[in-house]
Amino acid sequence: DIQMTQSPSSLSASVGDRVTITCQASQDISNYLNWYQQKPGKAPNLLIYDASNLETGVPSRFSGSGSGTDFTFTISSLQPEDVATYYCQQFDNLLQLTFGGGTKVEIK
Amino acid sequence: QLQLQESGPGLVKPSETLSLSCTVSGGSISSSSYYWGWIRQPPGKGLEWIGSIYYSGSTYYNPSLRSRVTISVDTSKYQFSLKLSSVTAADTAVYYCARLTHYYDRGAYYCYFDYWGQGTLVTVSS
Repeated sequence: DIQMTQSPSSLSASVGDRVTITCQASQDISNYLNWYQQKPGKAPNLLIYDASNLETGVPSRFSGSGSGTDFTFTISSLQPEDVATYYCQQFDNLLQLTFGGGTKVEIK
Repeated sequence: QLQLQESGPGLVKPSETLSLSCTVSGGSISSSSYYWGWIRQPPGKGLEWIGSIYYSGSTYYNPSLRSRVTISVDTSKYQFSLKLSSVTAADTAVYYCARLTHYYDRGAYYCYFDYWGQGTLVTVSS
């Protein structure tokens, strides 16, 4: 089974700050990694697919990078509407999809 | 605009079978570009993939749930369904259905959940 370790589990930052979240896979997953945003009481929303591709309509302050086992998700300038929990998800094996544990982002 | 809507009982007794359906509207359920999946989220916890199904009926399950899960599809009704047997309190969660888009483009493979239902809370309690 491929495990996804996401860190930190939570963070607090000021508006305008650069925020970075990491996701580590237990084995090489190439660039088969997506990032989702989930606001309280809502379904997750796709932000980044295939490690670095920005989904249509998603603000450019969101970005992703990485390949192999180590991946990074960045918010270049944190906005109040970015308060949410962010999840990575691997799809190296269609027979087994895995989400990371999530990172809760709050405003300081 | 594609929409997915979960439906089913919000309360299930321990040891019984949880049954949910997801109705797809505004798009095709039979396209080769999509799988259809179930994901759950226990209160205050993270997301867990339950399983996925292709319109042909091919299924893929989370190994940790495989012995208790059945996912089926009825293309004529634009629905796919989830059955989870022998439930316990640990199965209490918000259950989401979602579309899993997958395709190849210039040698690269893409696969992501791009449309989700609003989710439905299922509580396991006597």
